[in-house]
Amino acid sequence: AQSVTQLDSHVSVSEGTPVLLRCNYSSSYSPSLFWYVQHPNKGLQLLLKYTSAATLVKGINGFEAEFKKSETSFHLTKPSAHMSDAAEYFCVVSRSGGYNKLIFGAGTRLAVHP
Amino acid sequence: NAGVMQNPRHLVRRRGQEARLRCSPMKGHSHVYWYRQLPEEGLKFMVYLQKENIIDESGMPKERFSAEFPKEGPSILRIQQVVRGDSAAYFCASSPPGLAGGVNNEQFFGPGTRLTVL
Repeated sequence: AQSVTQLDSHVSVSEGTPVLLRCNYSSSYSPSLFWYVQHPNKGLQLLLKYTSAATLVKGINGFEAEFKKSETSFHLTKPSAHMSDAAEYFCVVSRSGGYNKLIFGAGTRLAVHP
Repeated sequence: NAGVMQNPRHLVRRRGQEARLRCSPMKGHSHVYWYRQLPEEGLKFMVYLQKENIIDESGMPKERFSAEFPKEGPSILRIQQVVRGDSAAYFCASSPPGLAGGVNNEQFFGPGTRLTVL
């Protein structure tokens, strides 16, 4: 079975400060891991993905995530938050090599203050 | 290349009516997935379809919900006799054919249909 736990439901940062959104996963298989962002009343946009290549994954808009198998974590980071980063972020797992039923975390709402 | 299209974007139904949600996948994509997002929650998988076939419907409620992806035309998610608990955002995603896993794990999401049941 696969599952994802996003450790914080809400994160608040000041503009220009680092962002850390935490995600732990559980998977019986070699997982693929993703971060998606959802802006209010919009669809989901893929930020980045890990599919068993490099453990440090760089995505769009300055975000990156590191796959740590020993910690079963895939935390999302950004060195400097921008106001436009305010959104809901979802950590997602699926099974590599199988068809693609995505398992979503509950989401982390990121607020960015001036 | 247009992205995944869903219509309508907003749908209001009264209890007992039927809701039909449409999803047109990206060009060249033959795999379609439907997800439901209840308020303040993450997305939950409902069903995975390929052209003319339902591959996995393990996330679909046993009654009132059905999905299809015909040879021609969009994928349809149909909810009969809607109840207030069906109010949610319904997202469709598509992915290209080919080998499972690898880059084909990426799903491209539509903007969603927000269903409100009065």
